[in-house]
Amino acid sequence: SAVISQKPSRDICQRGTSLTIQCQVDSQVTMMFWYRQQPGQSLTLIATANQGSEATYESGFVIDKFPISRPNLTFSTLTVSNMSPEDSSIYLCSVISGEQYFGPGTRLTVT
Amino acid sequence: GENVEQHPSTLSVQEGDSAVIKCTYSDSASNYFPWYKQELGKRPQLIIDIRSNVGEKKDQRIAVTLNKTAKHFSLHITETQPEDSAVYFCAASKGGSYIPTFGRGTSLIVHP
Repeated sequence: SAVISQKPSRDICQRGTSLTIQCQVDSQVTMMFWYRQQPGQSLTLIATANQGSEATYESGFVIDKFPISRPNLTFSTLTVSNMSPEDSSIYLCSVISGEQYFGPGTRLTVT
Repeated sequence: GENVEQHPSTLSVQEGDSAVIKCTYSDSASNYFPWYKQELGKRPQLIIDIRSNVGEKKDQRIAVTLNKTAKHFSLHITETQPEDSAVYFCAASKGGSYIPTFGRGTSLIVHP
């Protein structure tokens, strides 16, 4: 199993600023994933965070907007840069360790 | 890539009734089909999964069936209770470290 924590749990940010979300897992995992979930919507994969190499981004998501760090096998960060109201969403990190586990999410509101 | 369709988007039932949620997938190489339950304000959590070498799997009031030929799988919840109210997501993947593709979700409402 895997226990995932995220910080912050929620934030309200001004347009044009950046927010870094942290994800900590209680065991070493090869791949960590970052998802976005807009209200009432499904889970959209942003990128896969690989330790020791650059993240792999899904179509529609770019590194300049969503830079990711993965300094070790238990930790990752996602930055939402130059935010606009359209970035308001819940951001979840996730790992696969036998099954897929999700963090509690970070609820971001951009004003 | 994989495409997962999920129906219905909303399902409203009376307590004690059964609920069925259906999903179809497009990639015949997919062999792992998990279902997640997401309560309001909570994270998605795995409730049951099935692999392609099995046609049906049951866990108490929850069952999942898989038809590989037709490329569809379904979640069945019997004797529904108000605490079953949540959004349910199906997913399909090739297993292992392959990243699942999620359906759009079904909001299940169980009326007392």
